[in-house]
Amino acid sequence: EAQVTQNPRYLITVTGKKLTVTCSQNMNHEYMSWYRQDPGLGLRQIYYSMNVEVTDKGDVPEGYKVSRKEKRNFPLILESPSPNQTSLYFCASLGRPERNEQFFGPGTRLTVL
Amino acid sequence: AQSVTQLDSQVPVFEEAPVELRCNYSSSVSVYLFWYVQYPNQGLQLLLKYLSGSTLVKGINGFEAEFNKSQTSFHLRKPSVHISDTAEYFCAVKKKNSGYSTLTFGKGTMLLVSP
Repeated sequence: EAQVTQNPRYLITVTGKKLTVTCSQNMNHEYMSWYRQDPGLGLRQIYYSMNVEVTDKGDVPEGYKVSRKEKRNFPLILESPSPNQTSLYFCASLGRPERNEQFFGPGTRLTVL
Repeated sequence: AQSVTQLDSQVPVFEEAPVELRCNYSSSVSVYLFWYVQYPNQGLQLLLKYLSGSTLVKGINGFEAEFNKSQTSFHLRKPSVHISDTAEYFCAVKKKNSGYSTLTFGKGTMLLVSP
């Protein structure tokens, strides 16, 4: 089954404790992206990647890092999480751009105390 | 740059009633338009998209949307809603023929269907 998976689905952590949220897709998609969703703000893009070793900032990159060492994986790294990073995070991937359909993961709900 | 305005943050409606969720966009270039749905505790799922051609687009679950270029709108409609349509709906735009360029989302409209 074609899908985007994220782990963990839920995470409660404390300020300053480094964490990684993993994202993996099995569709051989070139493009992957991370969003955060906050009430009343919709989805905002954090980082995206057009291919292996190619990443770029989205609209709200501060406090986040990403890497794209393999095509299927695109982990999101919070080196020193803060409470304002408490949010719902979605990973997405896109195959051929002319198809214009992003596939979203199920989301990771992160709480930073 | 593009922007998307979803005028209603919540739309309460009774089961079997019609519904319209409004979306307006702003862009200096031609765009593709999308509606995504997010059911509780799930990721986003594409409902429908307008790329070109007929301005009336039909999607999954009986939803449709009409692209109106002069009014820069892409409102989503369903003639008769079900309880199971309760979800958050996001309108999004993307520059036409722009390859992997970013989707810009609206802030979402929560559709609340009650019996």
